[in-house]
Amino acid sequence: QVQLVQSGAEVKKPGASVKVSCKASGYTFTSYGISWVRQAPGQGLEWMGWISAYNGNTNYAQKLQGRVTMTTDTSTSTAYMELRSLRSDDTAVYYCARDHGRIVGAFDIWGQGTMVTVSS
Amino acid sequence: DIQMTQSPSSLSASVGDRVTITCRASQSISSYLNWYQQKPGKAPKLLIYAASSLQSGVPSRFSGSGSGTDFTLTISSLQPEDFATYYCQQSYSTEVFTFGPGTKVDIK
Repeated sequence: QVQLVQSGAEVKKPGASVKVSCKASGYTFTSYGISWVRQAPGQGLEWMGWISAYNGNTNYAQKLQGRVTMTTDTSTSTAYMELRSLRSDDTAVYYCARDHGRIVGAFDIWGQGTMVTVSS
Repeated sequence: DIQMTQSPSSLSASVGDRVTITCRASQSISSYLNWYQQKPGKAPKLLIYAASSLQSGVPSRFSGSGSGTDFTLTISSLQPEDFATYYCQQSYSTEVFTFGPGTKVDIK
């Protein structure tokens, strides 16, 4: 079945970097874009950015520009999100989500989420 | 950037009630509006895309309407499994896909 499986929970110190993976299966990876969305504890959803799995083009949320990099490895059907210079307010569950086949920017398949905790 | 607002921020309802949630965009987004349901500890689930198209597998008691700046999500007869938080999200601006702040639906 179509699914996205993310890497496990991470604990990082302020100033460090984290790289979360999202492995796709059950569909043609390069035919859909992938977005990353995060959710701080008790808070709403925040879109972080989008990458085309076809050509690697990216769009990032302005507030994260310069700290976030999204990449894909088409040989393993895996998307990655790296966030640098971590701060305590980066503590959140990070989700990858696939574009709907008919609407770019509507997310029909989601990963299970990866908890990233930033603490000294 | 396009800003999204939702009302109410929370509501209490009973099983069988008709529930309506409103979402407003800061500028016209045509019909590029999507609705998600999220339960505690779970990933969001797409319910409605393009303002009124029901995602495959989603019960028909969910419906969406609107265009331009004003949108609604309606649950025609609330079921026990529908108690959750609902988010709208615009996909008009391909540079940033903004979510609304959410509406929590709980049991009266």
